[in-house]
Amino acid sequence: DAKTTQPNSMESNEEEPVHLPCNHSTISGTDYIHWYRQLPSQGPEYVIHGLTSNVNNRMASLAIAEDRKSSTLILHRATLRDAAVYYCILRSLDSSYKLIFGSGTRLLVRP
Amino acid sequence: SAVISQKPSRDICQRGTSLTIQCQVDSQVTMMFWYRQQPGQSLTLIATANQGSEATYESGFVIDKFPISRPNLTFSTLTVSNMSPEDSSIYLCSVEEKGQPNNEQFFGPGTRLTVL
Repeated sequence: DAKTTQPNSMESNEEEPVHLPCNHSTISGTDYIHWYRQLPSQGPEYVIHGLTSNVNNRMASLAIAEDRKSSTLILHRATLRDAAVYYCILRSLDSSYKLIFGSGTRLLVRP
Repeated sequence: SAVISQKPSRDICQRGTSLTIQCQVDSQVTMMFWYRQQPGQSLTLIATANQGSEATYESGFVIDKFPISRPNLTFSTLTVSNMSPEDSSIYLCSVEEKGQPNNEQFFGPGTRLTVL
């Protein structure tokens, strides 16, 4: 399975931008980069995904390095509601595109 | 998007018994999955629930312990059999329209199981 590496935890101040990094140095050309987050006591929810180009949606932006070996999830203005565990996942043909969760990054947002 | 409900939301069970968890989706979906989340841990995929055929289990999970049914495109059950305290976890189902790499997967709220 294609692997990702994320920091265990990060902290941010409310209303400031947050950059959550993810390393995936063994990514293959057909692997999609997905981000999910899990709010306390809830199931995970989709945030964003991309293949090669940077992506924006109403929740976040995804910046993908030119060599695709790393990516960054950007929350433009963190709110208290954004406190969650963020998972960076590679959807790989090798694993039949299943969602295989790593340990994720726990984001703490300070008021 | 898909709205997913799970029953029960939580349960406390005795060692050696079995519990069946239900997952209901508000629309027809191609793919349904079952995950386990042990206390303080990330999610682990148990199996893919296949409609009309046997589920496909991930390494470390077997049908005798976690039998799965999927009678139609909106419903699935996961049974946790002969439970032990090590089975205490949150069990989540998820769905996806098609198993494509650029699809979004939707998760249910989970069933919190405690085994005494």
